[in-house]
Amino acid sequence: DSGVTQTPKHLITATGQRVTLRCSPRSGDLSVYWYQQSLDQGLQFLIQYYNGEERAKGNILERFSAQQFPDLHSELNLSSLELGDSALYFCASSVERDRSPGANVLTFGAGSRLTVL
Amino acid sequence: EDKVVQSPLSLVVHEGDTVTLNCSYEVTNFRSLLWYKQEKKAPTFLFMLTSSGIEKKSGRLSSILDNKELFSILNITATQTGDSAVYLCAVENRSYKYIFGTGTRLKVLA
Repeated sequence: DSGVTQTPKHLITATGQRVTLRCSPRSGDLSVYWYQQSLDQGLQFLIQYYNGEERAKGNILERFSAQQFPDLHSELNLSSLELGDSALYFCASSVERDRSPGANVLTFGAGSRLTVL
Repeated sequence: EDKVVQSPLSLVVHEGDTVTLNCSYEVTNFRSLLWYKQEKKAPTFLFMLTSSGIEKKSGRLSSILDNKELFSILNITATQTGDSAVYLCAVENRSYKYIFGTGTRLKVLA
C-alpha cells in the first residue's frame, strides 16, 4: 500500500456521461498530480495541485476539471465522456515542502480504470 | 516543449542476461530524473538522480545520470522473470512538473 488512495478502482459508464475520480494523498503530502494512461501509452500529465491551488496544467481537455480540497484530497471530474477517454487514471502525491532538487518523489495510487462504452 | 524519450520500446531477454535501458531528455531547468517500475498497476519508485556521474544502486539494479549529454541509463544484471515490467523514466522540471517517457517494456523469459 503506497498510502495514496484512489476510488473507485473500476468504473464503467456510457458516452456522454460524467464521472468523478477521487484521490487521497499520502499523509503529509501537499501536492497531488493527475495522470492519464491509455492502452500501451505512457503517463500523460493532466494537472497538479499544491496545497489547494492549481500549480501546473498539462494536456487536460476542457471537458475535464479537477480541484484539491482543504483536507488535501483531490477530485478529477470527467464530463461528456467519449470512447477515447477510456484509460487508467493515476493520482500521485509528493511532499514538496523542501524545494531542493531530489527532495520529492512521486508516490502513485493504484489507479482508477475508466471504461466508456 | 519538454520531452523524455526512452529506448528501446521493448526488449525480450533470457534469465541471467544483463539489460541496459536508456532515457534521454530535453527539459527546461532540470531538477531530477526518476525511474519507476510498472507491473500490473501503479508505478513503483526505483531511483531518483540529481547529480551527474553518481551511480545509484539497489541490488541488481543500478542507474546513472549524465546531465551534460542529457541521458540516464538503468542497468539490470542477472535478470529474473520478476523483472518483467514496463520501466518508466520521468524528469522533473523547475515547475515541479514530471514528464514521463513512454516506457520500455521488458520481458524476461525463464
